[in-house]
Amino acid sequence: GAGVSQSPSNKVTEKGKDVELRCDPISGHTALYWYRQSLGQGLEFLIYFQGNSAPDKSGLPSDRFSAERTGGSVSTLTIQRTQQEDSAVYLCASSLKGSSYNEQFFGPGTRLTVL
Amino acid sequence: AQKVTQAQTEISVVEKEDVTLDCVYETRDTTYYLFWYKQPPSGELVFLIRRNSFDEQNEISGRYSWNFQKSTSSFNFTITASQVVDSAVYFCALSEGGTSYGKLTFGQGTILTVHP
Repeated sequence: GAGVSQSPSNKVTEKGKDVELRCDPISGHTALYWYRQSLGQGLEFLIYFQGNSAPDKSGLPSDRFSAERTGGSVSTLTIQRTQQEDSAVYLCASSLKGSSYNEQFFGPGTRLTVL
Repeated sequence: AQKVTQAQTEISVVEKEDVTLDCVYETRDTTYYLFWYKQPPSGELVFLIRRNSFDEQNEISGRYSWNFQKSTSSFNFTITASQVVDSAVYFCALSEGGTSYGKLTFGQGTILTVHP
């Protein structure tokens, strides 16, 4: 079956612009996670969705970052007024349930470059 | 707070050598899961193995094996008879069993290069 897909694969934007990153999880997976991978910080958790609600947003670095999930499926991560330090690869993952047992399946990521 | 440390930044071996990747973790939870993920040049993280905190039995799966020791908070991963296709970044990760909802805390990653 289809894996986790993300779009766009690459995004180049100018400082101050808003960007939207999209994630399509594996069908039937109720849990969805966003992570960020950058040279300086490694792989960091951003936010977790169970269905359409986000019980854990603790990893969002600032109020410029927001995310939503609709229909228990697609999720969008929005970064407003992008800064150069936002440049990173944004990874989405899904799992059957939001538990520590379930393995997460990762998408290919969106590479964001802020000029 | 939870923490995962992979002390080896880069490892270089020649094909057919065995290689062990080290991982040390910190957590206050008594229930947790440890994972190893592989990130090939394509960028997609691939799940390799999982172990829960109550099962210290070490196992072998094909060319992969792992050594989980709670006494030293270590979860080391070994690739036997390495191949060029094993070249990738390997991440050790921890998921706490409380209200973490499966959130993963990753180590910094170890870059493995296998030369022909």
